[in-house]
Amino acid sequence: DAKTTQPPSMDCAEGRAANLPCNHSTISGNEYVYWYRQIHSQGPQYIIHGLKNNETNEMASLIITEDRKSSTLILPHATLRDTAVYYCIVRVGGAGGTSYGKLTFGQGTILTVHP
Amino acid sequence: KAGVTQTPRYLIKTRGQQVTLSCSPISGHRSVSWYQQTPGQGLQFLFEYFSETQRNKGNFPGRFSGRQFSNSRSEMNVSTLELGDSALYLCASSLDPPGSVSYEQYFGPGTRLTVT
Repeated sequence: DAKTTQPPSMDCAEGRAANLPCNHSTISGNEYVYWYRQIHSQGPQYIIHGLKNNETNEMASLIITEDRKSSTLILPHATLRDTAVYYCIVRVGGAGGTSYGKLTFGQGTILTVHP
Repeated sequence: KAGVTQTPRYLIKTRGQQVTLSCSPISGHRSVSWYQQTPGQGLQFLFEYFSETQRNKGNFPGRFSGRQFSNSRSEMNVSTLELGDSALYLCASSLDPPGSVSYEQYFGPGTRLTVT
C-alpha cells in the first residue's frame, strides 16, 4: 500500500471549514483513498473514501487532485466534537493486491477545534 | 442496530500468562479484523477473518493468534504475555468481504490490556 504524509496537527475555529491535507505521491492506479478518525479513547470511525472523483457524504467531502498524488478532507462546519486524530489511508480496492481488508494507519493529523 | 462489542473492556494480566479477547461484530457482518494500538507504534494490523478463515495477517509473532466462529464472532489469543503487549486491542467488522472496494470497517471500543 502507498505511504501517506499528513501534517501532525492542525487547528480550526468552531463553525469554520476544516481542510485536512494528505500526500500520497506514490499511489497506484488501483488504490483508493480512505479517511478515518479516532476520537480520544474510542475506536476509529470511517468517514469517506474515493478513487479519483470528488466524494461527499453527510460527514465530509473528499477532494482528490487530478494526478491523485494528494487529497483533502473537508469538514464543512467543524464542531468541538470533530476534535480527533484523522487518518488518511490508501488501500487497494477490489480483488487485486494482498492487502485485502488491512488498513495501514500512519500517525494521522490531530485536529483541534477551538470555540 | 448494535455496534461492535468487545469484551472485556479492561484486563490486567501478569507477564507469562495468556489472554483471550472476544469480539462480536455488527449483526450481518462477516469480516472481522483485529488491530493493536500503542503510543509508540500507533495502530497496527494483526489479522483478519472472513467466513471462519484467516485472510490476512500482520507482522506479529506467533504468540498472537485468532479465530472466527460460524456466527462471525471472533476471539484473539495472546500467549506468554510480555510487558510490550500492553495495548488497546481493537476489533473491526465489515459487511463486505476482504478486497471489496467499499470495505467500510466499523470499530469497537477496544479492550485495554495491561501486562504487569
